[in-house]
Amino acid sequence: GEKVEQHESTLSVREGDSAVINCTYTDTASSYFPWYKQEAGKSLHFVIDIRSNVDRKQSQRLTVLLDKKAKRFSLHITATQPEDSAIYFCAAPSGSWQLIFGSGTQLTVMP
Amino acid sequence: DMKVTQMPRYLIKRMGENVLLECGQDMSHETMYWYRQDPGLGLQLIYISYDVDSNSEGDIPKGYRVSRKKREHFSLILDSAKTNQTSVYFCASSFGSSAETLYFGSGTRLTVL
Repeated sequence: GEKVEQHESTLSVREGDSAVINCTYTDTASSYFPWYKQEAGKSLHFVIDIRSNVDRKQSQRLTVLLDKKAKRFSLHITATQPEDSAIYFCAAPSGSWQLIFGSGTQLTVMP
Repeated sequence: DMKVTQMPRYLIKRMGENVLLECGQDMSHETMYWYRQDPGLGLQLIYISYDVDSNSEGDIPKGYRVSRKKREHFSLILDSAKTNQTSVYFCASSFGSSAETLYFGSGTRLTVL
């Protein structure tokens, strides 16, 4: 089955800088890669996704890049703000029903 | 209002006691999930429910069972809880029959003493 590895367990950036979180996956058949955000003490919510028919998707300050050859996808956050501080989870599907989550990256945006 | 509601938010139980975690959703989503979250491990899938009385084991089903008698409700049961089941449990739901956008509940922090 699918395995998703999230490479950075923690990441600290200064406010206004960019942050990049990287994930790799194993199943070449995977075609959908969402990202979820979990603020401190709260639940997870969906932030952005990318499908395998494109290699880049942008939504405001968030951009997801997908490299199918390397089986790697990444979340780029530009002009970081304190409210971006959270745990970010990447995910990929295993079959039709299940999302496999990475272990999470704790992003801290320092003033 | 699109919402997944979990009860209770916090729960403390003694080893050997039974535990019932409840989850409800108001979106008529077919698919519902139970995950547990442990530090450094991300989210691990315990059970999936495709619809009423149609449940399937996830990656770590041992020590858990589920019940889904109505589409909007999905319960997680721990019969004779163990200390290693101390965790944060999240319920989630998604529309249709694919693992597309998941809507998560607020979580239940379970401590088993």
